[in-house]
Formats: sequence, structure tokens, C-alpha cells
Amino acid sequence: LAKTTQPISMDSYEGQEVNITCSHNNIATNDYITWYQQFPSQGPRFIIQGYKTKVTNEVASLFIPADRKSSTLSLPRVSLSDTAVYYCLVGGDTGRRALTFGSGTRLQVQP
Amino acid sequence: ETGVTQTPRHLVMGMTNKKSLKCEQHLGHNAMYWYKQSAKKPLELMFVYSLEERVENNSVPSRFSPECPNSSHLFLHLHTLQPEDSALYLCASSQDPTGGVSDTQYFGPGTRLTVL
Repeated sequence: LAKTTQPISMDSYEGQEVNITCSHNNIATNDYITWYQQFPSQGPRFIIQGYKTKVTNEVASLFIPADRKSSTLSLPRVSLSDTAVYYCLVGGDTGRRALTFGSGTRLQVQP
Repeated sequence: ETGVTQTPRHLVMGMTNKKSLKCEQHLGHNAMYWYKQSAKKPLELMFVYSLEERVENNSVPSRFSPECPNSSHLFLHLHTLQPEDSALYLCASSQDPTGGVSDTQYFGPGTRLTVL
């Protein structure tokens, strides 16, 4: 799987938009970009996945530039409950079944 | 129940005990996984089962023994563990047995294990 680099931590306030950028310079042609969210003492939860351009769901948006060497997870109007660790994963349907998690970005939302 | 469930949620055991962790998925998935998450470390893959067959074993010590009797249930049998095995053990499932990052994994809440 391609190596990813994310900020270790970020701080925000309730109601703000939060953008977490992930670098993946070695992304391969068939790789997808997937983001997971993990609360303390819980399992990670799938947030969003994309291949190129922009993907939006009820939770977040994922922006992927044309060169696909980075991606940005956008959380609109965060609340205290969005405080969690966010993981960026990059990989393709290569037959390897498991996910390789990095250290993630710890987002702290303040009131 | 829906999703992926794990029992027990918390477990404290001595180094000479034998215990088992249970995972059950109600999603009709074909693949199941065990991950370990130690304090302030990334998740580490332990085992992968696809259609009830173990397809990956990520160099896990033999004191951890997985069992997958059917596609909905996964166990992790523990014996003679060490204090450094204390961690959050997470079970996950996914639809596609060929896997890949495009195949979304659904995680259970985990079992917090403490080895004394």
C-alpha cells in the first residue's frame, strides 16, 4: 500500500469547517483513497472513499486533485462529537485483504 | 443486533489463564479480521479469514489462536499471554473476500484486554 502522511493533530472549534490533508505521493493507478474515523476505545468507522475529483456523503466530502498525490477530508461544521482520530488509507484491489493504518490525525474540537 | 458485535467488551486475565474473544457479524459478509491496537500505536493486522479459511497470519505468536467456525463467527483463543499483550482487540468484516482497500471493512467495538 502507498505510504500516507497526515498531520499528527489538529484543533478546531464547534461550527467550523475542518480540512485534513493526506499526502500520498506514491499512489498507484488503481489505488483508492479511504478515510476512517476512530473514537477512543472503539473500532474505526468508514467515513468516505474516492478515486478522483470530489466525493460527498452525509458525513463528509473528499477532495482529490487531478494528480491524486494528496487528498483532503472536509468535515463541515464540526461538533464536539467529531473529536476523534482520522485515518487516511490508500490502496487498490490488489488482493491484499487487510488495511494498513498509519498514526492518523487526532482532531480535537473545542466548544 | 446489527453490524459487528464483540464479547466481552472488557477482559482481565492472568498470564496462566485461558480465555476466548468472540466476534459476530450480522452483515452477511464473507471475510473477517482480527486487529490489535496497543496504546498510542496504529492498528496491527493479526489474522484474516475469507469464506472460513484463514488466508493471512501476520506473524502472530502461537499464544493467539483464531477460529472461524462459519462466516458469521470469529473467535480468538488466548492462552499464557504476556502483559505486553494488553491492548484493544478489534474484529472487522467485509463483503469481498478478495479484499483490497476499496472493500469497506466494518469494525466491532473491540475487547479491552488487560493481562496481569
